[in-house]
Parts: sequence; structure tokens; C-alpha cells
Amino acid sequence: DGGITQSPKYLFRKEGQNVTLSCEQNLNHDAMYWYRQDPGQGLRLIYYSQIVNDFQKGDIAEGYSVSREKKESFPLTVTSAQKNPTAFYLCASSPEGPGVGEQFFGPGTRLTVL
Amino acid sequence: GEDVEQSLFLSVREGDSSVINCTYTDSSSTYLYWYKQEPGAGLQLLTYIFSNMDMKQDQRLTVLLNKKDKHLSLRIADTQTGDSAIYFCAERGTSYGKLTFGQGTILTVHP
Repeated sequence: DGGITQSPKYLFRKEGQNVTLSCEQNLNHDAMYWYRQDPGQGLRLIYYSQIVNDFQKGDIAEGYSVSREKKESFPLTVTSAQKNPTAFYLCASSPEGPGVGEQFFGPGTRLTVL
Repeated sequence: GEDVEQSLFLSVREGDSSVINCTYTDSSSTYLYWYKQEPGAGLQLLTYIFSNMDMKQDQRLTVLLNKKDKHLSLRIADTQTGDSAIYFCAERGTSYGKLTFGQGTILTVHP
């Protein structure tokens, strides 16, 4: 079964703690993305990676960090510097290059800061 | 930069047609997409249209694209309660991979 997995589905953290969200894909896609979703604001791009060992900041990268050591994995760390981290986080992947270019999404992780 | 706008809410009666509208600003858009999100889940691609087309039909779904006005719409025929969800419009410009999403339209279908 090809797809994208995110874990955990629900995550709670105390203020001041860093937390890492997992994203794995077995679609052999080169590009991977992290979005944050808040009610009424759609999806905002945090970071994206077009190839292994390379990534770029999206529109709201402050307080977040990523790594891309393997093609299939793109973990996101929410640091204590992120002022309002409670949100729904979505990971996506897509093939690179020309073509339809649709993104495939994981099921999401809901992070709550207590 | 690119911007995509949608109205936030749409309410319809079961069996009626639903029309969800979207406007975008990027004149170099290559593909435009409609995604569906059910509560607590990720996004699922419903359909897409290439920018040189003006209509695409796929079973109950009809996509209309007015490139001159930068307006995209999704019509769902015979709307069912299972169609209740958030619908996102998205566009891709000339940069491979990166998509710009609208805020999402919450569709509520009443029996």
C-alpha cells in the first residue's frame, strides 16, 4: 500500500518543550512539504524539500525546523520558539518535474500545547 | 505573491447542486486543483484542470475555469450528506511542486 503516514495522530506538549512530528512516504516522491492548518486560514506552508539533503523555508518557518536525510522521511520539529504551536499539521509529497504535480497528503497530526 | 480566495461557507439541501467558487491571482498558473478534507483527516485530491482547458467533467463533478477572470468553480451534482466536508481550491504556478491553497469552503448538506 503506497501512501504517506504521519505519527502520532494526537500530540500534547507542555510549553517550552520541543516536539518532533514524523512523516514517512513510500511513493518514491522527491518533494515533501509541511503545512499548518488553523480554522478559517487554509493551509500555510512551513517548509518544503525538493530533494534529499535540501530544504527551503515556506511562508511561516519561524519556530520550526526540518531535516531531509532520507528520501522517504521529512520530520518536523516544533521548537519552543514557536509562539502559538497548537494546530493541525499536514505533511504532503509530490513527484518533481513537469506533469500534473498534485500533492498527496498524510492524515495529519493534531498538536496541542498545554 | 500568489493569492487564492474562496468563500468560507456553503449550505445546500440533499439532492441539489452545489457550486463552490474560487478566484486566484497568478496569471502563470499551470494546473488548478480541488481537494476535499473530511473532519480530522488529510486532504484528498478530487479533480484538477490544466490551464488551457475551460471545463472538465468527472461523474458528479464539473470544473469550470475562466482564465480571463481567474475564476475556478466546482459543481457537485446531486449533493449527498457524504459530500459534507471542507473543499480547497489550489493552484500551481511555474514553480514545480509548490501549490497555493485557498482558505477552504465548508460545505454543509442538509437532509
